[in-house]
Amino acid sequence: AQSVTQLDSHVSVSEGTPVLLRCNYSSSYSPSLFWYVQHPNKGLQLLLKYTSAATLVKGINGFEAEFKKSETSFHLTKPSAHMSDAAEYFCVVKSQDNFNKFYFGSGTKLNVKP
Amino acid sequence: EAQVTQNPRYLITVTGKKLTVTCSQNMNHEYMSWYRQDPGLGLRQIYYSMNVEVTDKGDVPEGYKVSRKEKRNFPLILESPSPNQTSLYFCASRWTSGGGDTQYFGPGTRLTVL
Repeated sequence: AQSVTQLDSHVSVSEGTPVLLRCNYSSSYSPSLFWYVQHPNKGLQLLLKYTSAATLVKGINGFEAEFKKSETSFHLTKPSAHMSDAAEYFCVVKSQDNFNKFYFGSGTKLNVKP
Repeated sequence: EAQVTQNPRYLITVTGKKLTVTCSQNMNHEYMSWYRQDPGLGLRQIYYSMNVEVTDKGDVPEGYKVSRKEKRNFPLILESPSPNQTSLYFCASRWTSGGGDTQYFGPGTRLTVL
C-alpha cells in the first residue's frame, strides 16, 4: 500500500529565508506525487505534481520539489519565504493499486515570521 | 468560473438527525470524491465516484452514503450522524481521461455533531 509521511508537523521560518518541507513516500512503483497548499479557511490548491517526467518539478508561487527515488523523498522547497506562504501543506501520493484513491500526509503548517 | 461548490459551509446538528452536504462542479469532471480532514491526520478519502451511477468506498466510508445521479453533483449523506463525524469535509473533482491527476477542491464544510 502507498503512504506518505510528512516529517514535520510545524515549520517556522523568517521572511526571505529558504523553506524546506519534507515528505517521504512508500510505493513499490514509480509514484504520482503532489503537493497541495491550504490557506486558512480555504480549500486545497495544487502547488505541483510529479508524474514520472523531470525529477525537479516547478510549481506555482516559486515552489519546487525534487523526486529522489533512492531516498523515497519528495521535499518541497522555496528559496525565499513570503508572508503569504503561511499555510498548511500536504504531500499526496496516488495509489498504484487503484488510480481513484489518493493518500494524504498529515500536513505541515508553515509559519513565516516577519 | 471553474469551481467546486459545497453547501452548507458550516453546520451544527445533533446526533441522529439525517443531513446532506451538497457538492457541485461545473467543469464536466468525471471523477468526484469526498474527504474528511481531522487535525494531525491530513485528509482521508470517504467515497469517490468515477462517473454517473458509479461509486466506491474510500478508506473511511462507515457512517456515510453518497449518490451520483448527475455528473455535476455528488452529495454526501449522513443518515444518523454521530459526534465522531465532527470534522471538516472537502469535495473534490478531476478529469479521468488524458491522465488527469489534479484534483480541484471545494471550500470545505465544517460539521459539528453534538
